Amino acid sequence: DGGITQSPKYLFRKEGQNVTLSCEQNLNHDAMYWYRQDPGQGLRLIYYSQIVNDFQKGDIAEGYSVSREKKESFPLTVTSAQKNPTAFYLCASSTWDSQYSNQPQHFGDGTRLSIL
Amino acid sequence: KNQVEQSPQSLIILEGKNCTLQCNYTVSPFSNLRWYKQDTGRGPVSLTIMTFSENTKSNGRYTATLDADTKQSSLHITASQLSDSASYICVVTKNSNSGYALNFGKGTSLLVTP
Repeated sequence: DGGITQSPKYLFRKEGQNVTLSCEQNLNHDAMYWYRQDPGQGLRLIYYSQIVNDFQKGDIAEGYSVSREKKESFPLTVTSAQKNPTAFYLCASSTWDSQYSNQPQHFGDGTRLSIL
Repeated sequence: KNQVEQSPQSLIILEGKNCTLQCNYTVSPFSNLRWYKQDTGRGPVSLTIMTFSENTKSNGRYTATLDADTKQSSLHITASQLSDSASYICVVTKNSNSGYALNFGKGTSLLVTP
């Protein structure tokens, strides 16, 4: 059954700690994305990757880092430099040209990160 | 400034009633417009995608319309059900040569009550 899997569903971070959110897809999509969602706010782009070993900063990349060593995986690390990390994090994937075609992004079910 | 504005911010309707959600945008040049449904605690799921030449598209009880001249779209839900309670997100793609081109609205939160 094809889809995107995000883990864990809930994550707690202590002060000064880095945490990594997992995102895996088996849709054979080239492009993957990380978004942050806060209450009453639209989805904001953190990072995106259109191909393995390449990724681009989004609007709110400060305090976050990513890697794209495999097509299927796009982990997001929330570093201690991110001072307000409490949010709902969504990962998505798509074909590389989906923005201009009738192919939608496919989203995972998110990870909710909270500060202890 | 957000280039995609959705209204209302929230809406409560009785089960069985119809409703219409609005999306106005200033994104230019335009490529396509998407509507997503996001259940609480879940990721968004695509409902419709419309290009410049399409002015209406249906997906079951959901019908989206697009007026590219006035830069407005609406999502009409017919005979609402309790399971329609969710956030509905409008996304407009800019016709760009490269790079990321998606513009997200903040969503309309819909509550359908018995």
